[in-house]
Amino acid sequence: AQKVTQAQTEISVVEKEDVTLDCVYETRDTTYYLFWYKQPPSGELVFLIRRNSFDEQNEISGRYSWNFQKSTSSFNFTITASQVVDSAVYFCALSEQRYSSASKIIFGSGTRLSIRP
Amino acid sequence: DAGVTQSPTHLIKTRGQQVTLRCSPKSGHDTVSWYQQALGQGPQFIFQYYEEEERQRGNFPDRFSGHQFPNYSSELNVNALLLGDSALYLCASSLTGWAGTEAFFGQGTRLTVV
Repeated sequence: AQKVTQAQTEISVVEKEDVTLDCVYETRDTTYYLFWYKQPPSGELVFLIRRNSFDEQNEISGRYSWNFQKSTSSFNFTITASQVVDSAVYFCALSEQRYSSASKIIFGSGTRLSIRP
Repeated sequence: DAGVTQSPTHLIKTRGQQVTLRCSPKSGHDTVSWYQQALGQGPQFIFQYYEEEERQRGNFPDRFSGHQFPNYSSELNVNALLLGDSALYLCASSLTGWAGTEAFFGQGTRLTVV
């Protein structure tokens, strides 16, 4: 069975601090996708990144970076120099590689991130 | 380019009633998925529609049904509403195929069952 665990329920940091959101996943599939989504108070899930299971290269996008390690089944997300606008609930997610990337997505329970001014 | 649009944004229903939620996918997308998100939890997959047929289904009872129209828009129907059906219902659209895309989500419909 597929499962995503986000052990950190809530994190609160002061603006400009770096913060890492942890994600551990379980799957029997050899090919799969991993995702991070951001959910602001408006409710819409905003796509941040998709990573194919064959691509273990870390990725950096501005202040965001992602560390994918298949050996530990982890896909952690780091925000550098956090800003108040980063406050939201962040979800890590997993899907099997079927129908390209449009297969059902298994979400973690989310981490609520609060950035204090 | 409009993204995924859902209607209505909020809805209040009484136990035992039936409800229909609607979703228009992002332009160019042919696949629609529905998710239920209870308060404080991650979204749970209900089902996915492609070519007007249910392609995948999560662990939800038959009270939850759906439909996809030729223009790719979709409806989610829930019969015999229970208090536990109160949640944010999210629609996601994507493109199936070799150039497949990630799922793009709408802002959701907040359903309250009283």
